[in-house]
Amino acid sequence: NAGVTQTPKFRILKIGQSMTLQCAQDMNHNYMYWYRQDPGMGLKLIYYSVGAGITDKGEVPNGYNVSRSTTEDFPLRLELAAPSQTSVYFCASSQPPGGLNYGYTFGSGTRLTVV
Amino acid sequence: QQQVKQSPQSLIVQKGGISIINCAYENTAFDYFPWYQQFPGKGPALLIAIRPDVSEKKEGRFTISFNKSAKQFSLHIMDSQPGDSATYFCAASMSEETSGSRLTFGEGTQLTVNP
Repeated sequence: NAGVTQTPKFRILKIGQSMTLQCAQDMNHNYMYWYRQDPGMGLKLIYYSVGAGITDKGEVPNGYNVSRSTTEDFPLRLELAAPSQTSVYFCASSQPPGGLNYGYTFGSGTRLTVV
Repeated sequence: QQQVKQSPQSLIVQKGGISIINCAYENTAFDYFPWYQQFPGKGPALLIAIRPDVSEKKEGRFTISFNKSAKQFSLHIMDSQPGDSATYFCAASMSEETSGSRLTFGEGTQLTVNP
């Protein structure tokens, strides 16, 4: 199984440009998440989804949008890119909580630089 | 408050030594406490997790100690090996299925195990 697949792996954007970070999972997980990781800051939740058609804001949603039209896909849209959005973005998926071995499966990340 | 505080920020240990990473949380509604391990260029991967009904969980060389009254939990890596060199994140969440059981992460600890 591929698990969680993120594309692209690297991207350089100019200020004001837009792009979509793709995320797909093949584990039939209902829950999906987008986090950004900045040095020394841990991972901050941007958006999450508990199922197709349902999305909600996390801790740092400003400047981003998401959609969830299928169980498998959870794209993250950046509109009008800003230098503050330079970060590593991780998509993750999970089963509903319960059971001690419940946990997130993360993708390998997208490293985005805005110049 | 949803914060999870992690220390130290970095840790250097000799091969065969014990690595200890600590986390403290504020929200008493948290009921799931995982640790994630991240190697450079990769996404975090679930290492071990605990729920507050037990005070300790051991898996191989990795042990979580949990102190509910102090709202603290820690990761102990026994007989640390160079291959354990990675960034470690603690996290916490509430098992609310309707809210996606969102994980709140600590800031991360960069562990280096010298040969």
